Amino acid sequence: AQSVTQLGSHVSVSEGALVLLRCNYSSSVPPYLFWYVQYPNQGLQLLLKYTSAATLVKGINGFEAEFKKSETSFHLTKPSAHMSDAAEYFCAVYTGGFKTIFGAGTRLFVKA
Amino acid sequence: KAGVTQTPRYLIKTRGQQVTLSCSPISGHRSVSWYQQTPGQGLQFLFEYFSETQRNKGNFPGRFSGRQFSNSRSEMNVSTLELGDSALYLCASSPSTRSDNTEAFFGQGTRLTVV
Repeated sequence: AQSVTQLGSHVSVSEGALVLLRCNYSSSVPPYLFWYVQYPNQGLQLLLKYTSAATLVKGINGFEAEFKKSETSFHLTKPSAHMSDAAEYFCAVYTGGFKTIFGAGTRLFVKA
Repeated sequence: KAGVTQTPRYLIKTRGQQVTLSCSPISGHRSVSWYQQTPGQGLQFLFEYFSETQRNKGNFPGRFSGRQFSNSRSEMNVSTLELGDSALYLCASSPSTRSDNTEAFFGQGTRLTVV
């Protein structure tokens, strides 16, 4: 069965520092992988997606993620955090069956 | 292109009542999925519809049901509401095909509070 694990329910960084949000997945078939962001009282917005075309995926707002099959990971990074990046981030996996599985989410705090 | 529209945005209901939530997908999207989001359980998959057919459902009791209309709009219904049903209900549409379903576009959700 497919699953997604996000390491760290809360991550705090200083403005300008590197952002690293960790995601590991479990899947018996090649997965589609996604990162979504959610701002308070809003729905989820797609940041980026991996669909096997390239292992390094660039998304919106300066975020990117690298698919590492050997580590079953899809960590999200951003070189320099901005105050506006404070939100909750969700990693998700789709492997068929018309059902996307989401991780528990990581709340990112950005300190001035 | 208009996004996914969910109505109403906020709802307060009493235990034992029933509620119907509505979702209008992005034009041209034929797949609609529903999720329940709570602080303790995160995002839990409820069901997915494509061309008026339910293709998958999550592990929720029969009190939770849904349907999709010929114009792809979808509704979900919760009967005999319980306090634990209080949550943000999210709808997502997808430019799906008959055999696959990727990249969900989410609405802003309906915040349901059961008192």
